[in-house]
Amino acid sequence: SYELTQPPSVSVSPGQTARITCSGDALPKKYAYWYQQKSGQAPVLVIYEDSKRPSGIPERFSGSSSGTMATLTISGAQVEDEADYYCYSTDSSGNPQGVFGGGTKLTVL
Amino acid sequence: EVQLVESGGGLVQPGGSLRLSCAASGFTFSSYWMSWVRQAPGKGLEWVANIKQDGSEKYYVDSVKGRFTISRDNAKNSLYLQMNSLRAEDTAVYYCARASIWGQGTLVTVSS
Repeated sequence: SYELTQPPSVSVSPGQTARITCSGDALPKKYAYWYQQKSGQAPVLVIYEDSKRPSGIPERFSGSSSGTMATLTISGAQVEDEADYYCYSTDSSGNPQGVFGGGTKLTVL
Repeated sequence: EVQLVESGGGLVQPGGSLRLSCAASGFTFSSYWMSWVRQAPGKGLEWVANIKQDGSEKYYVDSVKGRFTISRDNAKNSLYLQMNSLRAEDTAVYYCARASIWGQGTLVTVSS
C-alpha cells in the first residue's frame, strides 16, 4: 500500500524557520495537503494543493513540492504553532484513496 | 456556519456493529466528496473511506474493506459509516471530513 513518510519530530526556537518534509512516490503527480492538530482538537487544514493557504491561516505557513517530496515551512515559528502536523495525499492508481503521513511533532521552545 | 457534526459513537463488543452519522450544514453538501478519517488513541490520522458526490464511487482503506460501508443521503445532508464485525483495533475517534472542514469526532470503543 502507498505510504507517505514524515520525520517523527522537529524542534525549533521561537522565531526560527521550521521545515517539515513528506516523501511519497506519487507526489510528483498528486497534490499534498497539510493539517495541523493541537492536543485534543480536530485537525485544521493549513496548506492545500501543495502550496495554497486557506483563508485565516497565517502567512508564515507555506508549502512547496518538488519531485517526491513536499515541504511545509513555518517562517518565524511561534509557540502557538507547537502541534502535530500531518501530510495527506492520494496514490497514483487513479482511485482517490487517501493516505496520511505518520505525523510530525513540532516543538517550539 | 459551515460545520460537520458526528454522532453514533460508543462502546461496542468485538464482532458488533455501529452506525456513525455526520450532519452537514452551511454548505452545499451534495457538491463534495466526503470522507471518514479515524485516529486511534495516541496515534496518527488514518484515512478510512470516501464517497463521491452522488454516491456512485466509494473507496476504503484495506483494513476495513468488507466490514465498513460508507453512504450518504444528500436530501438529508448526511454522511454515514456502517461498521460491522468490529475489532479492538477499530477503537478510535472517527471524524467526518470535507478537506478543509472537519467535525469534532465521535469516539468508538471496541471492547468486551
